[in-house]
Formats: sequence, C-alpha cells, structure tokens
Amino acid sequence: AQSVTQLDSQVPVFEEAPVELRCNYSSSVSVYLFWYVQYPNQGLQLLLKYLSGSTLVKGINGFEAEFNKSQTSFHLRKPSVHISDTAEYFCAVSDPSQKLVFGQGTRLTINP
Amino acid sequence: DAEITQSPRHKITETGRQVTLACHQTWNHNNMFWYRQDLGHGLRLIHYSYGVQDTNKGEVSDGYSVSRSNTEDLPLTLESAASSQTSVYFCASSEPGLAENEQFFGPGTRLTVL
Repeated sequence: AQSVTQLDSQVPVFEEAPVELRCNYSSSVSVYLFWYVQYPNQGLQLLLKYLSGSTLVKGINGFEAEFNKSQTSFHLRKPSVHISDTAEYFCAVSDPSQKLVFGQGTRLTINP
Repeated sequence: DAEITQSPRHKITETGRQVTLACHQTWNHNNMFWYRQDLGHGLRLIHYSYGVQDTNKGEVSDGYSVSRSNTEDLPLTLESAASSQTSVYFCASSEPGLAENEQFFGPGTRLTVL
C-alpha cells in the first residue's frame, strides 16, 4: 500500500526567500506523484505532477519539484516566495486504481 | 466552464441526525471521490465511485454511505451523525482510465455535529 509523509507540518519563511517543502512516499509499485495547494477556505488545486521522464517537474506559480526514486522523495521548491503563496500544501501519490493517498499537509506561512 | 460544486457549504446538525452532503460535477467524469479533511491527517478517502451504480469503500467509510444514480452526482450520507464526523468534506472527480489524471476538487462543506 502507498503512503506519504510530509516532514514539516508548518514552514514559516520571509517574503522573497526560497522554500522547500519535503515529501517522502512509499510504494511497492510505480507511482504518480502530485502536489496540491489549498488556499484559505478553498478546495485543492493542482500545482504539479510527476508521471515519468524528467525528474524535475515545473508547475504553476513558479513552483517545481524533483522526483528522487532512490530516496523516495518528491520535494517542492520555489526560489522566491510571495505573500500570496501562503496556503496549505499537500503531497499525494496515486495508485493504479486511480485513488489518491495524501500526506498530512504543510502549512506555508510567508512573513513580510 | 465545467465545475464541481458542493452544497451546503456549511452545516450544523445534532448527534443522531441523518445528513446528506451534495456533490455535482459538470466535467462528465466517471470517477468521483469523497474525502474528509482533519488537522494532522490531511485528506482521507471515505467512498469513491468509478461510474453509475458503482460505489466502493475508502479508508474511513464507517458511518457514511454513497449512491451513484447518474454521472453528475455523488451524494454523501451520514446515517446517524456523530461528533467524530465534524470535519471539512471535499468531493473530487477525475477522468477514468489513467492513474496520472488530475482530480478536480469542489470547494468543500464544513460540517459541525453538536
């Protein structure tokens, strides 16, 4: 069975600083990996996804993630954050039956 | 534009009452999912459906049921609401056939059981 661990429940950073949100997964089969973002009082929207091919995946709003099979990680990065990036971020893995398994979420807080 | 809607957005009910949360999507997706979101747990799958008349239990299905009579709707019913079911509920849909397909989420329903 798949599982996802997000290593930080909260990450505070200053505006224009870089940020990395960490995600590790476990799976016995090939997986597809996702990062979703949830802005306050809203549903989730897709930031980016890894299916195959290049291990560096670029998403919306300047975010990118790197798939590392040997370390079973899929960390999310942004070189310079903005106040509008304040949100909760979820890492997820899908199994062959098309269900998603989510991590616990990381709350990103941007300080001016 | 295609979308996925949930109603009500907020609901307060009493222990023991039956509650139904609505989910409607206009993507024409065959796959639909219900999740609950709780602090420290992320999103956990309650029930899911791969098409009309198909329903399946997820990770936390006890106390919940769903039915799928058409492509657009997957209502979630709490048969006898309990305080432990106070949560935010999200509905999602996706195109079937490919595991990498994105799930599209509704805005959520905040349910409080007193």
